[in-house]
Amino acid sequence: KNQVEQSPQSLIILEGKNCTLQCNYTVSPFSNLRWYKQDTGRGPVSLTIMTFSENTKSNGRYTATLDADTKQSSLHITASQLSDSASYICVVSVRSGNTPLVFGKGTRLSVIA
Amino acid sequence: DAGITQSPRHKVTETGTPVTLRCHQTENHRYMYWYRQDPGHGLRLIHYSYGVKDTDKGEVSDGYSVSRSKTEDFLLTLESATSSQTSVYFCAITAGVQETQYFGPGTRLLVL
Repeated sequence: KNQVEQSPQSLIILEGKNCTLQCNYTVSPFSNLRWYKQDTGRGPVSLTIMTFSENTKSNGRYTATLDADTKQSSLHITASQLSDSASYICVVSVRSGNTPLVFGKGTRLSVIA
Repeated sequence: DAGITQSPRHKVTETGTPVTLRCHQTENHRYMYWYRQDPGHGLRLIHYSYGVKDTDKGEVSDGYSVSRSKTEDFLLTLESATSSQTSVYFCAITAGVQETQYFGPGTRLLVL
């Protein structure tokens, strides 16, 4: 069964600190992996996308990595800000089937002053 | 937000009543999706559409129907709402060369 597991479920960090969120997946056939940010009460917004051949992608203070061999991805947030408080969702695309996206349950990040 | 609006944004209804949620997009996207999001679950696909009058089921389609009579509108109907359908519903479209899904603001539905 295609699955995406994220850890930790929740995380609290001090403003200015770095953090890393993890995503493990068992999805086949793999197409690409995305990280989404979802602010409270809003829809998810795409941060990064990586295909099989890419192992790192940055978007400002967000850097995503992908190890297709171990089926792991991470999202690193540098110099966190209060506005980074949100849920971060790992999403893996399947190359076939009528459910093309497999969503993780998300990591809830709280950045405190 | 890729020009996506959802209505209503909040709704409270009673068990057994019909409910229709509307997703409207202004940029002529072909693919549209309905998801539900519940605590302890990732987003789950209910139904999707790949064109006018062309729809297909997702992983949690039981109890839901959809219609797409115009490119810009994708309707989700709960024929007889149940408490298990209390959820936040998101509409999405696919756009761009990377086929990114863009999500609407969501509709919070409470079935009493």
